[in-house]
Amino acid sequence: DTAVSQTPKYLVTQMGNDKSIKCEQNLGHDTMYWYKQDSKKFLKIMFSYNNKELIINETVPNRFSPKSPDKAHLNLHINSLELGDSAVYFCASSYPGTGASYGYTFGSGTRLTVV
Amino acid sequence: TQLLEQSPQFLSIQEGENLTVYCNSSSVFSSLQWYRQEPGEGPVLLVTVVTGGEVKKLKRLTFQFGDARKDSSLHITAAQPGDTGLYLCGATNKLIFGTGTLLAVQP
Repeated sequence: DTAVSQTPKYLVTQMGNDKSIKCEQNLGHDTMYWYKQDSKKFLKIMFSYNNKELIINETVPNRFSPKSPDKAHLNLHINSLELGDSAVYFCASSYPGTGASYGYTFGSGTRLTVV
Repeated sequence: TQLLEQSPQFLSIQEGENLTVYCNSSSVFSSLQWYRQEPGEGPVLLVTVVTGGEVKKLKRLTFQFGDARKDSSLHITAAQPGDTGLYLCGATNKLIFGTGTLLAVQP
């Protein structure tokens, strides 16, 4: 069983479109995350979310919004896609609070290409 | 802003050689993690170090946490082509990752 699964694996879309990336975890973790990995392989936090708290990286454009129907799912919705949004997006999960100190389980990533 | 600087950025070595990757910061962390990421996949957790001065071993990989808990190192003995990948240190309780070290082990 896949612990953290993301769909789709690849997403090619035109500028201005709206798209969503889905993420599901079956680990029973309470906290989920979205990270963006740029062309230099740097991982940057976008959102951290659990049942109680959404932490937003202030540098993330408000075109990006997390949506969590339940604690096992954290989807990423992107409005009005721009060329600069092209990157690999990773979902991850962990136990909350100090549990995050023991590391994340990552999904296999979604490569988004905006043309 | 807390940063984790890794060195070297790139490393290409022959099979059988030893290597060390460093993860440095001016900040103190309660723990650091090391991950390996292969092409087309997400990072996979290798180890978490928690105590200053702690040394952990995972087969040919040795991880050390600095005494002051500001830095960590990863040493690989007798590298194999299967060790090829992107190595990332992370302070996940602070939501940050290092700048990455891309390792290529040539057969």
